Amino acid sequence: AQSVTQPDIHITVSEGASLELRCNYSYGATPYLFWYVQSPGQGLQLLLKYFSGDTLVQGIKGFEAEFKRSQSSFNLRKPSVHWSDAAEYFCAGTNYGGATNKLIFGTGTLLAVQP
Amino acid sequence: DVKVTQSSRYLVKRTGEKVFLECVQDMDHENMFWYRQDPGLGLRLIYFSYDVKMKEKGDIPEGYSVSREKKERFSLILESASTNQTSMYLCASSLRQKVNNEQFFGPGTRLTVL
Repeated sequence: AQSVTQPDIHITVSEGASLELRCNYSYGATPYLFWYVQSPGQGLQLLLKYFSGDTLVQGIKGFEAEFKRSQSSFNLRKPSVHWSDAAEYFCAGTNYGGATNKLIFGTGTLLAVQP
Repeated sequence: DVKVTQSSRYLVKRTGEKVFLECVQDMDHENMFWYRQDPGLGLRLIYFSYDVKMKEKGDIPEGYSVSREKKERFSLILESASTNQTSMYLCASSLRQKVNNEQFFGPGTRLTVL
């Protein structure tokens, strides 16, 4: 069955430290993969997406993610975290060629940033 | 700027009431979605629609129905609200195409059923 897994429920980092949030997927074919961020009380905002091509994807707010087929992973990274990055992060995936693009979401990783 | 709006940010209803959650998008998107978000469970798809008057069940449709009479509007209906439907409800929309079909989300409606 198709699935997206975020192994870390909660992560705390210090401001200025680097960040990596893990995401693993299980799809038969090459999936489309997304990272969304949700600030408290808000909807989801797209950070970045991978469809094909270059496996290192740049997004907004200084985030990037790398698609690794051999590891079935799409981890989100940021070299230096800011206090405003505290939020919940969701990885999601859908099938290539799916016109109705139903997304499967991971359960989310809640990021706390220490001063 | 693309926009998905939801009729209420916060809603409090009583058990057994009929509840309507409205979602409107201004991007001329064919696909619209209703999700439910609960702590530790992520987002779960309730229903989606790929065209006017068309709908398909998602992963957790029980206790819900939907209506899409116009392309820009997608309504979620709780026929008889129950306390286990207390949750955050998120609406999203996307183009109906095979590539570059990211979903755009509304701000969410936090529903409390007493």
